[in-house]
Amino acid sequence: QSVLTQPPSASGTPGQRVTISCSGSSSNIGSNYVYWYQQLPGTAPKLLIYRNNQRPSGVPDRFSGSKSGTSASLAISGLRSEDEADYYCAAWDDSLSGRWVFGGGTKLTVL
Amino acid sequence: QVQLQESGPGLVKPSETLSLTCTVSGGSVSSGSYYWSWIRQPPGKGLEWIGYIYYSGSTNYNPSLKSRVTISVDTSKNQFSLKLSSVTAADTAVYYCAREVLGYCSGGSCYPGYNWFDPWGQGTLVTVSS
Repeated sequence: QSVLTQPPSASGTPGQRVTISCSGSSSNIGSNYVYWYQQLPGTAPKLLIYRNNQRPSGVPDRFSGSKSGTSASLAISGLRSEDEADYYCAAWDDSLSGRWVFGGGTKLTVL
Repeated sequence: QVQLQESGPGLVKPSETLSLTCTVSGGSVSSGSYYWSWIRQPPGKGLEWIGYIYYSGSTNYNPSLKSRVTISVDTSKNQFSLKLSSVTAADTAVYYCAREVLGYCSGGSCYPGYNWFDPWGQGTLVTVSS
């Protein structure tokens, strides 16, 4: 059971806009930044969004992140076949002595 | 550009100790700008943070694993390592090492919530089985 809650799956057709949600609590998303990682099939996760809505160099502006209260969202516009991957949200959790927590991951299928 | 590579046995017996090493190339584990982390992913499941180490040797572990985890750093070899003791089948996973970029430090303290993992190693599958 993951600390952050994501839908297990999402889908869209090429060119569409899809969003993936991530729900947490006051000790993680509510008080810290949210990060998103993309895991293409058979590969290691890759940083996609940092500090809620910042894109590393090389990440297309089709990817955007937002946060409100204890929830966050990843939006992908102009969906492409190469976007088919697992997406994970992450945040630092201040409870106990502190730890990184992740969502269970959302598998995005491009139909 | 920095690259990380995990190495170690792919099969460990129950109750024994899992040992992995991460070799860093194109960068230095002695840099004060990063933590060096371990993260795992059981087959078909999500990600779990194990812990991190700073070049000075200071560590922080996931409370759920703290009693069994030791992370160490060898600056002379530009490597850091993971030991997980008393393993069971539940510890079967792909183990990733990752560089944790320090996003904000002040007065000698760094705030993990400002950090991010980039890049990651390719991962290594460790199976716990007799």
